[in-house]
Amino acid sequence: EVQLVESGGGLVQPGGSLRLSCAASGFTFRNYAMNWVRQAPGKGLEWVSTITADGGTYYTDSVRGRFTISRDNSRNTLFLQMSGLRAEDTALYYCANYFSGTYYKGYEGWGQGTQVTVSS
Amino acid sequence: IVLTQSPGTLSLSPGERAILSCRASQSVSRNYLTWYQQKPGQAPRLLIYVASNRATGIPDRFSGSGSGTDFTLTISRLEPEDFAVYYCQQYGDSQWTFGQGTKVEVK
Repeated sequence: EVQLVESGGGLVQPGGSLRLSCAASGFTFRNYAMNWVRQAPGKGLEWVSTITADGGTYYTDSVRGRFTISRDNSRNTLFLQMSGLRAEDTALYYCANYFSGTYYKGYEGWGQGTQVTVSS
Repeated sequence: IVLTQSPGTLSLSPGERAILSCRASQSVSRNYLTWYQQKPGQAPRLLIYVASNRATGIPDRFSGSGSGTDFTLTISRLEPEDFAVYYCQQYGDSQWTFGQGTKVEVK
């Protein structure tokens, strides 16, 4: 069974930093692209960042230059280093996976999310 | 690519058919259009990928169709557990975008 467990969220002041983690199990981590998706309170889903199986990294415009996605295949763990945090980054942050196969088949597994609140 | 979902809210009764629309501002590459369901307090769940393929374990009352810029999710007969928010998502050029969601609520 796929399990994705996020951690590292919390309350941080504007301009501060946080490092989110996502511990993965139940699948061959190195064969999957990993993603961060966020959801502000009462709002819809927003794609944040992706790291492919071969290490390529991609970001939505609003976080590029402030957030850094990385993975440790030896520990089956995904990370999101967030700096220069703004009030508009306040959201529930989900990690999700998709298989790096011949074609894109959507985000199969999702964690339950970790809350990030940016406020003074 | 911007995805626009309509309607914003769909008020229906159990047993009725739900038709949800997702329109893209440009053609979706390789029809990489995905549908997710989200219930309150839960993570999203994958329903449909590549426009019309049901994910593992998804009941056949859910179906997806469309190509290019216009896509549809149809729920043939609403079950009580289907009342939720539905999101479309596109993937292309190493960017992913979600629509704003359609809420299917009990009439």
